[in-house]
Amino acid sequence: DAGVIQSPRHEVTEMGQEVTLRCKPISGHNSLFWYRQTMMRGLELLIYFNNNVPIDDSGMPEDRFSAKMPNASFSTLKIQPSEPRDSAVYFCASSPRQGPTYGYTFGSGTRLTVV
Amino acid sequence: SQKIEQNSEALNIQEGKTATLTCNYTNYSPAYLQWYRQDPGRGPVFLLLIRENEKEKRKERLKVTFDTTLKQSLFHITASQPADSATYLCALSYNNNDMRFGAGTRLTVKP
Repeated sequence: DAGVIQSPRHEVTEMGQEVTLRCKPISGHNSLFWYRQTMMRGLELLIYFNNNVPIDDSGMPEDRFSAKMPNASFSTLKIQPSEPRDSAVYFCASSPRQGPTYGYTFGSGTRLTVV
Repeated sequence: SQKIEQNSEALNIQEGKTATLTCNYTNYSPAYLQWYRQDPGRGPVFLLLIRENEKEKRKERLKVTFDTTLKQSLFHITASQPADSATYLCALSYNNNDMRFGAGTRLTVKP
């Protein structure tokens, strides 16, 4: 299994531009999570899905952030418009089932720099 | 407010010694607690899970304890090796749904 696949690995964009981050979870995993990691705030949960349905998006910082999961093998996190304070590493993770009884498998992350 | 605190940002120990990392939490009642390892430039990797009714869990050189009275978990690496150098994150279950992470402790094992 290739694990959780995220793309791109690095993204540099100008303030105001739209950014789309992509994630392919492990096949058969029903839960998908988007986290953001910064030095100041650590690893923060943004949103998670179960069976492609958004369950909790209370961590999404602003309306500029949106996430979709159109099918079981693909999810996107979009920032529009992007701002310099959005610079961070964004991780996608998947788990076999909803709930904390399984460890999460993380992707390698997307390092986003907004200039 | 809910907080997860991991002792010190960094811990340096000599090879062969036991590393002990601490995770304290307030205003949580987690049913599960997990520990992850994160290397630079990579995503966290799941190591161990412990349930609230378990006092201790072991996996090879790793040992985790979970004290719900003290609201604390200890993570031990015995016979530490330079390859154990990484950042270790504890994570607590929130509303039995998702995991919330501490800031991590950066462990350096010196030869």
